[in-house]
Amino acid sequence: ETGVTQTPRHLVMGMTNKKSLKCEQHLGHNAMYWYKQSAKKPLELMFVYSLEERVENNSVPSRFSPECPNSSHLFLHLHTLQPEDSALYLCASSQELGRGLAGVVSTDTQYFGPGTRLTVL
Amino acid sequence: AQTVTQSQPEMSVQEAETVTLSCTYDTSESDYYLFWYKQPPSRQMILVIRQEAYKQQNATENRFSVNFQKAAKSFSLKISDSQLGDAAMYFCAYRGNAGNMLTFGGGTRLMVKP
Repeated sequence: ETGVTQTPRHLVMGMTNKKSLKCEQHLGHNAMYWYKQSAKKPLELMFVYSLEERVENNSVPSRFSPECPNSSHLFLHLHTLQPEDSALYLCASSQELGRGLAGVVSTDTQYFGPGTRLTVL
Repeated sequence: AQTVTQSQPEMSVQEAETVTLSCTYDTSESDYYLFWYKQPPSRQMILVIRQEAYKQQNATENRFSVNFQKAAKSFSLKISDSQLGDAAMYFCAYRGNAGNMLTFGGGTRLMVKP
């Protein structure tokens, strides 16, 4: 247990469905992340939230919509997904260390949840 | 942009022996952090070890140690007295000093033979 939980662990959905992935951290951190892990590809960062503010958005399609209502919870809302979106979605959390020039957010070591295995039919 | 390369897609080691996993990276920064994460079949990504670039001393965590060669931009992981539970994917990752984004390598699958 790393102190980061994700639900559901497995999800199968059709292309017209709407679903949400949930992440919760119990580490007292204030930054949270969504990653996508596809077969034979390096982990891809999707979104970063720090102090409940989105600070990174790596050109992710709008069919993925993140929400961070507080520093302990992070959601990823899914709608009209494509089969190529099937992957393992990993959540992570860390502590924000500070904000530098141009508001760049610096954070500490990231701790990961167990992931949600998503299959889009 | 930073890149992280793990040139060994798969490695195997006999139980109780030592294995070294390779990682190289490319960066123009002088201060940064390097990490090794382990991802067993359960898919949980677990932090194994972390190295600050400004520290000359190699990080060590029990049976895990690193060989950090800053000039060569190399960051290998040594696992001593390998155990069956060490079987997993191992990912090397880089993070700049003033940033929050982890850049991951492609991973190395480690198999441990009994």
